[in-house]
Amino acid sequence: ETGVTQTPRHLVMGMTNKKSLKCEQHLGHNAMYWYKQSAKKPLELMFVYSLEERVENNSVPSRFSPECPNSSHLFLHLHTLQPEDSALYLCASSQDWAEQFFGPGTRLTVL
Amino acid sequence: GQNIDQPTEMTATEGAIVQINCTYQTSGFNGLFWYQQHAGEAPTFLSYNVLDGLEEKGRFSSFLSRSKGYSYLLLKELQMKDSASYLCAVDYGGATNKLIFGTGTLLAVQP
Repeated sequence: ETGVTQTPRHLVMGMTNKKSLKCEQHLGHNAMYWYKQSAKKPLELMFVYSLEERVENNSVPSRFSPECPNSSHLFLHLHTLQPEDSALYLCASSQDWAEQFFGPGTRLTVL
Repeated sequence: GQNIDQPTEMTATEGAIVQINCTYQTSGFNGLFWYQQHAGEAPTFLSYNVLDGLEEKGRFSSFLSRSKGYSYLLLKELQMKDSASYLCAVDYGGATNKLIFGTGTLLAVQP
């Protein structure tokens, strides 16, 4: 595997479900990010991790819970989501604060 | 507040030159990025400007004027594969890499 990978690529869940999105970067970077991309809206930064510490939480509802166990892995735990949370969730990584490399995203649908 | 404006859509002809403009108003400025995003794919890094002036990289060039809060992406010798969304993003964060994205400009290259 190279670059930034994300699993699953597609996810359909009910509002009462609990699921997790996974991101793995194979670039040796020290910062990782979660973004939300909704139709017709700009990419929205959700969380930033630097050296496995959360350095940014961009007013994201608590039903989204990030976890960064090491510098290569990033998770987004989801619970009791709403239909308006349906979107493409993108993970990215960077070395320090240089350009970010994005994963292919997880297309999430909340029923 | 933070704000980035770019045109929603543009159309150009194969072999021609197109300029995509971006204006921004942000609380801080650590640099401006341009990303390309094909439909259904992850954004990929194109260019980074932190100082005023033109940065050239093959068929793509990017210009920045910090005093005017303005940037443009210039694409030369357009090819059909250049049909994509082009995202302007500003790093406005202090100690961390916090990007705010525009909604993107959807470029259609016609034969």
